[in-house]
Amino acid sequence: NAGVTQTPKFRILKIGQSMTLQCTQDMNHNYMYWYRQDPGMGLKLIYYSVGAGITDKGEVPNGYNVSRSTTEDFPLRLELAAPSQTSVYFCASSYLPDSNYGYTFGSGTRLTVV
Amino acid sequence: GQNIDQPTEMTATEGAIVQINCTYQTSGFNGLFWYQQHAGEAPTFLSYNVLDGLEEKGRFSSFLSRSKGYSYLLLKELQMKDSASYLCAVLADSWGKLQFGAGTQVVVTP
Repeated sequence: NAGVTQTPKFRILKIGQSMTLQCTQDMNHNYMYWYRQDPGMGLKLIYYSVGAGITDKGEVPNGYNVSRSTTEDFPLRLELAAPSQTSVYFCASSYLPDSNYGYTFGSGTRLTVV
Repeated sequence: GQNIDQPTEMTATEGAIVQINCTYQTSGFNGLFWYQQHAGEAPTFLSYNVLDGLEEKGRFSSFLSRSKGYSYLLLKELQMKDSASYLCAVLADSWGKLQFGAGTQVVVTP
């Protein structure tokens, strides 16, 4: 089992460019999440999905978009990158959120916008 | 407002015990998680408390008091590999949306 796989691991973008952060999981989890983590701050929820075809905004969705066409994949799209989007992005999935299963996190994407 | 507070940093000696406190004020409560995060890595699940009391898992224990909005993570017999950031996170609804504290950096010294 690969768990949660994120690509790329590192990326440098210029202001105004766009990119898609890929996230795929092979555990058949319905619940998937995108978080960003800035230095000295807690993880902030960007978007989440409770199943294929269902997505909703989290705490900090501005400047991002998501889709969930399959159970496995939950890509995060950045349009018109801004320096404020420099961060580490984590994708996570869960079998049953309110349980001892917890979340499984991907290894993260470190994004720098210059 | 919603707030999750934990100390920024704690230092302890190898073999000792450290207790990391977390206080929270959130609009809902479906449980509290503790995660461990080594530098440059993803968080990994340590514990989940939904009822008051102590949950023990080997060298790690986690306690919850819902009436006080308080939890702690107890790390016993500290090892050098326990040097990491420990994240307190509250599950505020049934959709699995976690609210995280800023993390407590634990430094274990020889």
